[in-house]
Amino acid sequence: QKEVEQNSGPLSVPEGAIASLNCTYSDRGSQSFFWYRQYSGKSPELIMSIYSNGDKEDGRFTAQLNKASQYVSLLIRDSQPSDSATYLCAVEDRDSWGKLQFGAGTQVVVTP
Amino acid sequence: ETGVTQTPRHLVMGMTNKKSLKCEQHLGHNAMYWYKQSAKKPLELMFVYSLEERVENNSVPSRFSPECPNSSHLFLHLHTLQPEDSALYLCASSQPGLAGGDTQYFGPGTRLTVL
Repeated sequence: QKEVEQNSGPLSVPEGAIASLNCTYSDRGSQSFFWYRQYSGKSPELIMSIYSNGDKEDGRFTAQLNKASQYVSLLIRDSQPSDSATYLCAVEDRDSWGKLQFGAGTQVVVTP
Repeated sequence: ETGVTQTPRHLVMGMTNKKSLKCEQHLGHNAMYWYKQSAKKPLELMFVYSLEERVENNSVPSRFSPECPNSSHLFLHLHTLQPEDSALYLCASSQPGLAGGDTQYFGPGTRLTVL
C-alpha cells in the first residue's frame, strides 16, 4: 500500500515566521512531487512542483526534496494570515498512469 | 473560460433524484479525474479517464456513473444517492507523458448535499 504521510496539524505559526511542513512517501520510485494549498471549502491550488533533489524556490515558498530519505518539505517564509490553509503533499504513482497519491494535508494557522 | 470549470457549484438533491455534474477543461489535457472530498477527510480518487477511456475505477458505488464524451468534458451522473455522499466533488485534468505533465489542475468543485 503506497502512502503519503503528513502531520495533520494544526501548525500554528506567528505572522512573519517560517512555516515548515514535512511529507514522507513510501514509493521509492516516485519522481514527481507537488504541494497544493487548499482553503476551507475551496479546491486545491498548485503551489509548487519539484522533480530533483535539493531546493526549489518560488517567492516565499521553498520546496525541498530528498529522494534517498523519501521526504519532501515546504517552507513558507514571512508567513501571512492569508497563508492559513491546508497544504497537501502529492506524489506521483509510478504504477498507475497519471495518478497522484495525496497526503491528508497539514493545516497551517498563521496568527497575527 | 480558462483552466478547469465545473457546474453546478452547489447542488442539493433528494435521495431519489437524478442529477449530473459537469466538468470542462480548457487546457488541452488528455486525462481527467473525479475526486470526492468529505469534510475533514483526504481526497479520494473516484475515476480516471485517459483519452475518453476509463482507466481507473476505485471501487466506487454504481450510483455514481462517469461519462467522458471527449477529452475536454467529463460528467458524473448521480442517482439514488445517500446522505453520506454529501461532499465536495472535484474534477482535475493533467497531461501525463510530458515533462511536468502529471501536474493535476483542479476545478472549483461542486458542493453536493444529499437530503
